[in-house]
Order: sequence, then C-alpha cells, then structure tokens
Amino acid sequence: QKEVEQDPGPLSVPEGAIVSLNCTYSNSAFQYFMWYRQYSRKGPELLMYTYSSGNKEDGRFTAQVDKSSKYISLFIRDSQPSDSATYLCAMTGGNQFYFGTGTSLTVIP
Amino acid sequence: EAGVAQSPRYKIIEKRQSVAFWCNPISGHATLYWYQQILGQGPKLLIQFQNNGVVDDSQLPKDRFSAERLKGVDSTLKIQPAKLEDSAVYLCASRNPGISGNTIYFGEGSWLTVV
Repeated sequence: QKEVEQDPGPLSVPEGAIVSLNCTYSNSAFQYFMWYRQYSRKGPELLMYTYSSGNKEDGRFTAQVDKSSKYISLFIRDSQPSDSATYLCAMTGGNQFYFGTGTSLTVIP
Repeated sequence: EAGVAQSPRYKIIEKRQSVAFWCNPISGHATLYWYQQILGQGPKLLIQFQNNGVVDDSQLPKDRFSAERLKGVDSTLKIQPAKLEDSAVYLCASRNPGISGNTIYFGEGSWLTVV
C-alpha cells in the first residue's frame, strides 16, 4: 500500500466551479499536510500548509484535514483558468516527506 | 527573500554521457533535498542533506548518481553515465524547521532529456 494515494485525474471544470481535490494516506504519524501547485515546466509551489486536523482558508482556497479518516482535501472556489495546473498533496511526520502523484486540473473559460 | 535557485533549467544529453545540476537553497535553510520527478508522478527523494552531512540516500542509484554539499550551502547532483530512464525533472528543495516549519520549498527544477 502506498503511503499517499491521490486521484491523478485529469479533472476538467468550467470557470467559476468549485473544485475538490483529495488525498488519502495510511500513516497515522503524519501531522503536517501541504498542497503544492505545479504549473507546466515549473517546480511545485507551496499553496497551503496545515497542522493536524481542521480547516484552513486562504482566499479562494480551503484545506481540510480529517485525521480520523486519514483524508485531506483542497477546495478551490470560483475556479479560474489560471488555476489550471497539477496539484500535489504532501505530508510528513516531521522528517521524511511523502507526496501524492498529483491531480491535473484544467479550468475551461 | 530569494527562493531555491537551480541550474541549468534544461539539458539534453545522449545516453552514457554525464550531466551535473546545481542548487542553491534558501538562505539559512540547513536541510537540502534532491528529488526526481518523472512525468505524471510525484517527486521521489534521491538524497537529503543536513548541513553538509547526508541524512538519507537510500533511494539514490549510487552506481550512477552522486551528490555533494561540501560547504553546507549549495549542492551538486551528478549523473554518470546517464540512461534513457533518467529523463525527468530534478527538483532541489530546502527547509529549516525553525523558519519554515515542517514544509519544504522547491526550486524551478532542472529538466533532463536523455536521448
């Protein structure tokens, strides 16, 4: 079983839609959770960082962590064409980082 | 604050040739990582440094890959000889828990094509 599972998509939505991206994990020691956005031919850019369970909001982005279900989500409200990218989830217990395979998102104008 | 710097951005080489990538982490970040990312996959850790010491190189193919961080700041990753399956983007990342918490920051990557 992989440490982190992420649906690779691709996901295609119309502009203005709400997007939900998800990851599941197996290691209960993970405490820190991240979402990265990666544009084509670019390195991953940190989007959201959360500790333990709960929600964190930043503009149109909301990160949600449910440690009891070992499930994390990223919600994008009012999606824009500029949100078209690959989204990687990542997590750590403090030293090693584990990444999902990325979900490719296209927002159609 | 300057981000993680990497060079070259793009490189095309023939199989069995050698290539070297350079990385300068964010100032003050003691931990430096090299990841390999193949198209459609998540980053795979190759090596982790803490200052100038190796913390984890268990997934580094040591028969062809080498990395160093001699002065505990910038780092070089070398591949010799290259194989077709080494075509990937090589990402350098850095971290300092006292500054950036338990998260890491990536550079733009060095894109390698082996033909």
